[in-house]
Amino acid sequence: DAGVTQSPTHLIKTRGQQVTLRCSPKSGHDTVSWYQQALGQGPQFIFQYYEEEERQRGNFPDRFSGHQFPNYSSELNVNALLLGDSALYLCASSLVASGRETQYFGPGTRLLVL
Amino acid sequence: QKEVEQDPGPLSVPEGAIVSLNCTYSNSAFQYFMWYRQYSRKGPELLMYTYSSGNKEDGRFTAQVDKSSKYISLFIRDSQPSDSATYLCAMSEGNTGKLIFGQGTTLQVKP
Repeated sequence: DAGVTQSPTHLIKTRGQQVTLRCSPKSGHDTVSWYQQALGQGPQFIFQYYEEEERQRGNFPDRFSGHQFPNYSSELNVNALLLGDSALYLCASSLVASGRETQYFGPGTRLLVL
Repeated sequence: QKEVEQDPGPLSVPEGAIVSLNCTYSNSAFQYFMWYRQYSRKGPELLMYTYSSGNKEDGRFTAQVDKSSKYISLFIRDSQPSDSATYLCAMSEGNTGKLIFGQGTTLQVKP
């Protein structure tokens, strides 16, 4: 049973560029949430996708956007990158029927903005 | 004031010790409480999940929730070097899936 997968594992960008991160949820899961984890901090909720729509959003600017595809996979896009966007980006999947709180995380994508 | 406060540690204990990890929170609407373990350069792994107040035990791990005090704990019995990791508490208001995390406590178990 494949768990949550994310790509790429590492990424280096420069300020002002745009980045797209990808996530495939655990088999059978229908909800994808994205989190940002700065070094030494706990993850911060960015947004959640269910039925191809953004259902919840945290306190992140519009530069952060996402998408969910019919196969439940998801993308996180960040425009106009800032140095402060350097972090580990985590994707978590869950199943609505089992409760959205039971989330399983992927290994993350480590983004460095220079 | 952060919604969820967690002592970042680091916490260092000898193998076999009982470890107590704690979080306090300010939002009385939180109903779901989770503990995650995160090894270095890995994603968080769900350890324990509790709804409302009470205790839950799973092997060497026990989670406690005291909603009246807005305080949750994770106890690890007979700690092992493989338990060395960062432990994150997380909570949410309802079936929203918006998890609010603590800062994480770094635990080192010495052989």
